[in-house]
Amino acid sequence: DAGVIQSPRHEVTEMGQEVTLRCKPISGHNSLFWYRQTMMRGLELLIYFNNNVPIDDSGMPEDRFSAKMPNASFSTLKIQPSEPRDSAVYFCASRDTGRANYGYTFGSGTRLTVV
Amino acid sequence: SQQGEEDPQALSIQEGENATMNCSYKTSINNLQWYRQNSGRGLVHLILIRSNEREKHSGRLRVTLDTSKKSSSLLITASRAADTASYFCATDARDKIIFGKGTRLHILP
Repeated sequence: DAGVIQSPRHEVTEMGQEVTLRCKPISGHNSLFWYRQTMMRGLELLIYFNNNVPIDDSGMPEDRFSAKMPNASFSTLKIQPSEPRDSAVYFCASRDTGRANYGYTFGSGTRLTVV
Repeated sequence: SQQGEEDPQALSIQEGENATMNCSYKTSINNLQWYRQNSGRGLVHLILIRSNEREKHSGRLRVTLDTSKKSSSLLITASRAADTASYFCATDARDKIIFGKGTRLHILP
């Protein structure tokens, strides 16, 4: 199992540009989570999906952020337009809700820098 | 918003010593999990303790949970240089987990 795969690993973009982060969860996992990590705020839950359906997006900071999960093996987090304060490491995680007492598996993250 | 809060924020100990980190949380939980994050890497799940459990072991790790005090502790025995990392507690209240800000552990040679 290759684990949770995120791309790109690093992204540097100019303010105002659109940014798309990608995530492939572990096969068979039916929940997917997007987190953002900064020094100031720590790890924040942005949104999560169960069976490809968005369940809770209350952590999405602004309308500039959107996330989709068109199928069980792929999710995107899009920021449009990007701003310098969006600079952070974005993590995707997945789990199998049928195994509720097992931990989440995290990807390696995407380090986003908006200049 | 953070649910769990780790204490201390940073900890430095000599290799071979035991490291203890604490976590306090605010609301009822189904389980509590501990994760490790090495610098520049993703989070790795270490151990999960259910709300009806009081203590759990995994190798050199020992986790306790006191639901009456809404607190947990992670003990790493016989620390090694490779244990240098940030450690996070995460509370699972329903179908999502919320992280604390973590404890930065540094093992001195």
